[in-house]
Amino acid sequence: GEDVEQSLFLSVREGDSSVINCTYTDSSSTYLYWYKQEPGAGLQLLTYIFSNMDMKQDQRLTVLLNKKDKHLSLRIADTQTGDSAIYFCAETPGGYNKLIFGAGTRLAVHP
Amino acid sequence: NAGVTQTPKFQVLKTGQSMTLQCAQDMNHEYMSWYRQDPGMGLRLIHYSVGAGITDQGEVPNGYNVSRSTTEDFPLRLLSAAPSQTSVYFCASSSSGPPEYFGPGTRLTVT
Repeated sequence: GEDVEQSLFLSVREGDSSVINCTYTDSSSTYLYWYKQEPGAGLQLLTYIFSNMDMKQDQRLTVLLNKKDKHLSLRIADTQTGDSAIYFCAETPGGYNKLIFGAGTRLAVHP
Repeated sequence: NAGVTQTPKFQVLKTGQSMTLQCAQDMNHEYMSWYRQDPGMGLRLIHYSVGAGITDQGEVPNGYNVSRSTTEDFPLRLLSAAPSQTSVYFCASSSSGPPEYFGPGTRLTVT
């Protein structure tokens, strides 16, 4: 079946690293995505990883993929208050037009 | 360049009423899609389009219709509103691949 699970809440201190975790169920997903939703706004595509990769780095963002365990993580280095948002992971079992989203992890950054 | 625009921002309907949620993009994107976001859940795909004249169903299409007569516009029609359709609706677009740009959302309440 198709199900994406994320922990609901994460609190970190400004300047620390944040790690947001996600597990998915469909091993046929070619791409896995991370989106960010700021309060009152729509989602924005943050980054993605192709299923044959283990890691992808994009400035402060690092995506790690463990295909064996179907586990995806997003690490944000030097977390800032502007990173406070809800982060969604999404898998693509039906192709990239049909994303299955997790419920989102709310990241709170405090001084 | 306005990106993805949605109207209205808020709407209250009575059960059985019909209405159209508007979505437009000015980026000449071929791919457009509609999602709904319910509390504690990830976004769920309602309908999507890969170009003018081409639409297809997503995960939760029942009770909704779409058409794509131009590249720019992708309206979502609620045929006979039900309380279960109370949600926040997001329109998204991309040149290819996954949704990249999301609109600000329409908050719909059906009483």
